[in-house]
Amino acid sequence: GQQLNQSPQSMFIQEGEDVSMNCTSSSIFNTWLWYKQDPGEGPVLLIALYKAGELTSNGRLTAQFGITRKDSFLNISASIPSDVGIYFCAGRVGGGNKLTFGTGTQLKVEL
Amino acid sequence: DAGVTQSPTHLIKTRGQQVTLRCSPKSGHDTVSWYQQALGQGPQFIFQYYEEEERQRGNFPDRFSGHQFPNYSSELNVNALLLGDSALYLCASSLLRYEQYFGPGTRLTVT
Repeated sequence: GQQLNQSPQSMFIQEGEDVSMNCTSSSIFNTWLWYKQDPGEGPVLLIALYKAGELTSNGRLTAQFGITRKDSFLNISASIPSDVGIYFCAGRVGGGNKLTFGTGTQLKVEL
Repeated sequence: DAGVTQSPTHLIKTRGQQVTLRCSPKSGHDTVSWYQQALGQGPQFIFQYYEEEERQRGNFPDRFSGHQFPNYSSELNVNALLLGDSALYLCASSLLRYEQYFGPGTRLTVT
């Protein structure tokens, strides 16, 4: 099935650094979501974006809905050890529940 | 307030067998969706249930079927298991047209 392209695939960062990751699609979405998944757990919703150009923050996390509606970006400021995990973007078209997920970005923090 | 719960946690089946996975939605939610997450990939949408009917379906064969009960809980059934069906199966619940909350998943291994 279709998966959105996320980059980078994985990254090592120093504690305290800022992190940026992005997600691109060949098709348009009306909603962009960012989830974090820890080992043995289901994805947890971090940020939801509903309008092209929208910039939304949740604590140290900031995400943007791309103007073309084909991409989205997530930034994490001042990373801490608990930020370790896999970050997934997901897009939705219309009002149904079907989410199309990205390939994931694995974040590893060096102490 | 209990979140989304799934059972069993882990399951091992043999090729050709049938399996049933169960999901109880978060309190107050009326919509359940199922996703398949292969190792190292993002979740793939299987289908969504609302008012005891399948409302949306992803690109999965008819071997995958489901049911929603009057108390909103749901089952996912997979017949004629293949090795490629080995994956983490995630249940997500929501109020219709609101964001989804995921359970911890059921890890299915087909040998």
